[in-house]
Amino acid sequence: EAQVTQNPRYLITVTGKKLTVTCSQNMNHEYMSWYRQDPGLGLRQIYYSMNVEVTDKGDVPEGYKVSRKEKRNFPLILESPSPNQTSLYFCASSVQEGYGYTFGSGTRLTVV
Amino acid sequence: QKEVEQNSGPLSVPEGAIASLNCTYSDRGSQSFFWYRQYSGKSPELIMFIYSNGDKEDGRFTAQLNKASQYVSLLIRDSQPSDSATYLCAVTDPGSTSYDKVIFGPGTSLSVIP
Repeated sequence: EAQVTQNPRYLITVTGKKLTVTCSQNMNHEYMSWYRQDPGLGLRQIYYSMNVEVTDKGDVPEGYKVSRKEKRNFPLILESPSPNQTSLYFCASSVQEGYGYTFGSGTRLTVV
Repeated sequence: QKEVEQNSGPLSVPEGAIASLNCTYSDRGSQSFFWYRQYSGKSPELIMFIYSNGDKEDGRFTAQLNKASQYVSLLIRDSQPSDSATYLCAVTDPGSTSYDKVIFGPGTSLSVIP
């Protein structure tokens, strides 16, 4: 089944403790992206990647890191999480520009 | 700041009626336009995309694009209770990079009343 897989689905952590949210797609898509979704603010792009080793900042990159060492994987790293990073996170992939995204199931992160 | 605007709703329609969802965008350079459906607690799901002025139909869904007015809409015919969800409009932002970043609107909540 073609899909984008994120893990974990739910995560509660403490301020300052480094964490990684994994994302993997099995569709051989070039483009991958991370979004966060907050009530009243909608979906905002954190980072995106056009191919292996090619990444760029989205609208809200502060406090996040990404890497794209393999085409299928695009992990999101929070080096020192803070409570304002409590949110619902989505990973998404696309075969090419302009074709729309396939989203993962989401990761609900709570930072206390 | 480039923007995509939608009425937040909720929009309520009776079962079997046509639901009309609207979206406006600020950047005349935008080339690709998308509609996603998001059920409560779930991830967004792509319904349709449209590039050219006019209408594009897919089953009960019709997307309409008017680039001169910077307006894109989604019509849902014969609305069903299962169509009750939040509908997200998304638009590509050409910006200054080679990649057309996608900007999402805040979404319109649709409720189809049996």
